Amino acid sequence: DADVTQTPRNRITKTGKRIMLECSQTKGHDRMYWYRQDPGLGLRLIYYSFDVKDINKGEISDGYSVSRQAQAKFSLSLESAIPNQTALYFCATSDWGTNQPQHFGDGTRLSIL
Amino acid sequence: AQKITQTQPGMFVQEKEAVTLDCTYDTSDPSYGLFWYKQPSSGEMIFLIYQGSYDQQNATEGRYSLNFQKARKSANLVISASQLGDSAMYFCAMKPRGSTLGRLYFGRGTQLTVWP
Repeated sequence: DADVTQTPRNRITKTGKRIMLECSQTKGHDRMYWYRQDPGLGLRLIYYSFDVKDINKGEISDGYSVSRQAQAKFSLSLESAIPNQTALYFCATSDWGTNQPQHFGDGTRLSIL
Repeated sequence: AQKITQTQPGMFVQEKEAVTLDCTYDTSDPSYGLFWYKQPSSGEMIFLIYQGSYDQQNATEGRYSLNFQKARKSANLVISASQLGDSAMYFCAMKPRGSTLGRLYFGRGTQLTVWP
């Protein structure tokens, strides 16, 4: 089983719909992150969290919200989806330390029509 | 401010040849980590190699090595003996020690194509 699991893997929905992307991890890491990837722009940070009481905005948090339900679960919501939120979304986890890489889920391809 | 620059949107290399993917970075933090990730067409992000800012030697992992030039603030990825399976997008990333909750800063990526 994957250490970082994202569901769904693919989603097509309509403008204005509420969408939730879920992430769960078995790595035991405290730090969790949500990124968005658009062609030619690399990965941009949406939100990140240290624990259930700690939520931090990234560089592109507008239009998104998150919930850290448990150490192992971190969900990303689009309250009212719009077409320019069509992208590949990644969840990642990390252990403490400058030398620790982030471990990514397989991504969710989200299309908003 | 933290910044990662990958100036090569696309690179081409023939199978079995070596290729260098460029990465420059900017940070005022004296302690930081540098990472390279591979993203094949299937989409997943695969961690390849890490270099610490105080490491005396360049990092190596199999066919991957990191050409770290601290004074130039560059951390180029070298792939030796390229294989067709190396065709992918490659991202350089940096984690300053003072980074809040260990967030990574990513470059925009380089698309590598290996041809037979």
